[in-house]
Parts: sequence; C-alpha cells; structure tokens
Amino acid sequence: AAGVIQSPRHLIKEKRETATLKCYPIPRHDTVYWYQQGPGQDPQFLISFYEKMQSDKGSIPDRFSAQQFSDYHSELNMSSLELGDSALYFCASSLGLGNYEQYFGPGTRLTVT
Amino acid sequence: GQNIDQPTEMTATEGAIVQINCTYQTSGFNGLFWYQQHAGEAPTFLSYNVLDGLEEKGRFSSFLSRSKGYSYLLLKELQMKDSASYLCAVRDERDSSYKLIFGSGTRLLVRP
Repeated sequence: AAGVIQSPRHLIKEKRETATLKCYPIPRHDTVYWYQQGPGQDPQFLISFYEKMQSDKGSIPDRFSAQQFSDYHSELNMSSLELGDSALYFCASSLGLGNYEQYFGPGTRLTVT
Repeated sequence: GQNIDQPTEMTATEGAIVQINCTYQTSGFNGLFWYQQHAGEAPTFLSYNVLDGLEEKGRFSSFLSRSKGYSYLLLKELQMKDSASYLCAVRDERDSSYKLIFGSGTRLLVRP
C-alpha cells in the first residue's frame, strides 16, 4: 500500500540558508501534520492542514511557513536556518480530521552546519 | 495544557512481558495513542484507546483509565526487534486539528 512520501530524506544546509521540505500524503488523505523531532526528544507539533487550509499551528517559528497545495501535498519552507533547526521533520497524513490514525512518513533529516 | 509522563528507559528479556506506563494530564481528552519508533525512523501506530479498558492486538495490548489519567502498553513474548522507543500521545478534545501531543518516549531494550 502507498505510504506517506517525504523528500528529501536527508538535507544539509548552512546557517542562514533556506530549505524546503516536501510531503506527499497517502492518496485520498486530505489532512497533513508536520512534526519536528530533535535528537533524543519527542516529536513536537508544528502545523497542520485540512483541505488545503491551515487547521492548527503549534510551536512553529516565524521563520518557517507551510502550505498545502491543490493535490494535497504540503511543503514546509524554512528560512534563516539556525543550528537548532537540525532535527528530523516528520509529515503525517490522515483521512479527514476525525480519523484517529495518523500515518507518518519516513522523515527528512535536516542538518544545519 | 498537556503533561505526559513515561519512564525514560526500560530493560526486559526476550520472551518476557513488559508493561510501559503513561500518565497524562490534559484540559480535554480525545484519545490516547501508542506509537513505536526505531531510532531514526518514523513512528508507527500501535494502538488507540478512547474508552476505558483493554484493547488487545496480537502481542500488544493497551489499557486506559480516563479517571486516573493512566494508560499502559503491554508487550508479550518480547522479541529482539521490539527494542525501540515507545511513545505515548494524547489528543485534546478542544483541538479541532486532532494533532498529537507526545510524551518523551520510553526506550525499551530487549536482551537475549
């Protein structure tokens, strides 16, 4: 069965650069969540989208922005990167907001040097 | 806000049973989830409880007591591949987005 796809899987950037992470949800899934997981830490919610509209916002820095496109894929744009942004970034998708199961993608490992 | 507590680490023997506890405090409650996560990989869904009681799924069972703000994940017939982090997560009924709030996770080491 098709799963959540994230690209790239690994990304190395320097401080103050920008990065764009992409997420392709499971076909027919209309809800996307972004989570950030620092080394040895639990995933922290960043932002979510339902039917191409932002549905919730968590601890996402102002330097980050995201959107969901007409084909339901989502992109997380990160600017003025800092060393502390180095983390695993997971995207999860679900079918509708009420569906209890969120399916996680393999993650993008971002390293900022 | 939410406060979720789990033990940091646990060790168990292959073939044994282990229980991982999770306590939570939320302003609202709309379900408790358990995820398994191997290092550097995505969390994978294990179980979901929204009503009190025990949910069994193969070697894994999850229990919930809403009045006590308490859940546990029970792993039976442990296998070496069960060595992973186990994340407890709750959903707040006030959250229209149904986002997950994760605990810090319990790192389980299964020894031969």
